Amino acid sequence: DIQMTQSPSTLSASVGDRVTITCRASQSISSWLAWYQQKPGKAPKLLIYKASSLESGVPSRFSGSGSGTEFTLTISSLQPDDFATYYCQQYNSLWTFGQGTKVEIK
Amino acid sequence: EVQLLESGGGLVQPGGSLRLSCAASGFTFSSYAMSWVRQAPGKGLEWVSAISGSGGSTYYADSVKGRFTISRDNSKNTLYLQMNSLRAEDTAVYYCAKGYTSLLLRAAFDIWGQGTMVTVSS
Repeated sequence: DIQMTQSPSTLSASVGDRVTITCRASQSISSWLAWYQQKPGKAPKLLIYKASSLESGVPSRFSGSGSGTEFTLTISSLQPDDFATYYCQQYNSLWTFGQGTKVEIK
Repeated sequence: EVQLLESGGGLVQPGGSLRLSCAASGFTFSSYAMSWVRQAPGKGLEWVSAISGSGGSTYYADSVKGRFTISRDNSKNTLYLQMNSLRAEDTAVYYCAKGYTSLLLRAAFDIWGQGTMVTVSS
C-alpha cells in the first residue's frame, strides 16, 4: 500500500502570506496526485489534479507541483476563504489520502 | 447542476447492517466510476470502495473487505454501499464521490456529496 505523509500538520498564517504544504509518497506515483480543500462540516473540494492541473473554477493563487514522491501545494497569497484543511491524495494505485494540513489564522 | 445526495445513515448496533444510497443527477451516471470515502469524527479522509461505470469492477479498502459491498443501479442513477458486520470503528461520515474521468483507476474525485453520518454504538 502507498502511504502519503503531509507536512506540516498545522500551519498558522496571515492573510496575504505565501503558504506551502508538502506531501510525500512512500513510493513513486508519477503525477497521479490530487489536492483537496475541506471546510468544517463540508465535503472536500477538488483543487488540483495530476499534480499541477488546476480544477475549473479554482482561483489561480492555488498551484501544485512535483512528481515521483515529492509534491507541494502553494497558495500564493492567502485569502480569508482559504483557512481550511487540505488533503493530498494519490491515485496511482487505488486511492490514499494524506493525514491533512490545517491552515489556521495566525 | 451536477449533484450527489447521500442517504441511509443512522445509528446501528455493533454487528448490525446498513445500506447507504447516493442519488446522482446532472451527468451521465453510467459513464463514470464512483467511490465511497469516509471520515471518522475529527479524523482524516479514508477511501472505502470504488466501482466502475458498468458496475463490473469493484475495489475495497482492506479495512472493509468482506463486510461492505458496493453496487450501482444505472437505471436509477444511484450508488449503494451495503455495510454488514458493522464495528465501532466504522463510525464516520460517508461521502460518495464521482470519478473525474470515465476510467475506474487513475482518477481523482471531482464531485462529492454532502455526506451521511453512520454511528455504530450499543
